[in-house]
Amino acid sequence: GAGVSQTPSNKVTEKGKYVELRCDPISGHTALYWYRQSLGQGPEFLIYFQGTGAADDSGLPNDRFFAVRPEGSVSTLKIQRTERGDSAVYLCASSPDSVEQYFGPGTRLTVT
Amino acid sequence: QKEVEQDPGPLSVPEGAIVSLNCTYSNSAFQYFMWYRQYSRKGPELLMYTYSSGNKEDGRFTAQVDKSSKYISLFIRDSQPSDSATYLCAMSGLRGAQKLVFGQGTRLTINP
Repeated sequence: GAGVSQTPSNKVTEKGKYVELRCDPISGHTALYWYRQSLGQGPEFLIYFQGTGAADDSGLPNDRFFAVRPEGSVSTLKIQRTERGDSAVYLCASSPDSVEQYFGPGTRLTVT
Repeated sequence: QKEVEQDPGPLSVPEGAIVSLNCTYSNSAFQYFMWYRQYSRKGPELLMYTYSSGNKEDGRFTAQVDKSSKYISLFIRDSQPSDSATYLCAMSGLRGAQKLVFGQGTRLTINP
């Protein structure tokens, strides 16, 4: 069956610009997570949705980062006024409300 | 100090060898312990997970958890070149749907 998909696969943007990253979870999965992975590091948690609401946003680094999941399926991670330090792979995972999280291929964000 | 520590390697072994990968952690609230495999430029893939202490076997893979020592291991028997990847340990708390805390990942190469 279809796994988690993320678009775009690569995004290059200039410092100060706004970007949106999209995640399509596995159909029927109620939980959705965003993580960020820097080169040579493990993924770091950003935010977790249960249905439409953000159940835990403790990992968002500052108020430039925001995420939504308006209909409880697709989610968008939004980054305002991008900085070079935001460059990383942004990973999305979904789960049928269990411990098993299934990851997408990620969006590689480069801020120049 | 990070909550989860993992030796980044790199680790290089000959085909057919037994591989041992390890993580230590500091947070005694962790109850679920996972191992993910990540190929280059791909998302993490869940290999197996264990609840609390004990062993779990799946084919050539065995996961061990020692909560008294806060130490987890993944053993790979009869290693194959296709096992070459980065292996990430991850942990979460008691409730099933929760954020994962990852180790840095160990880069493994199996030489034919």
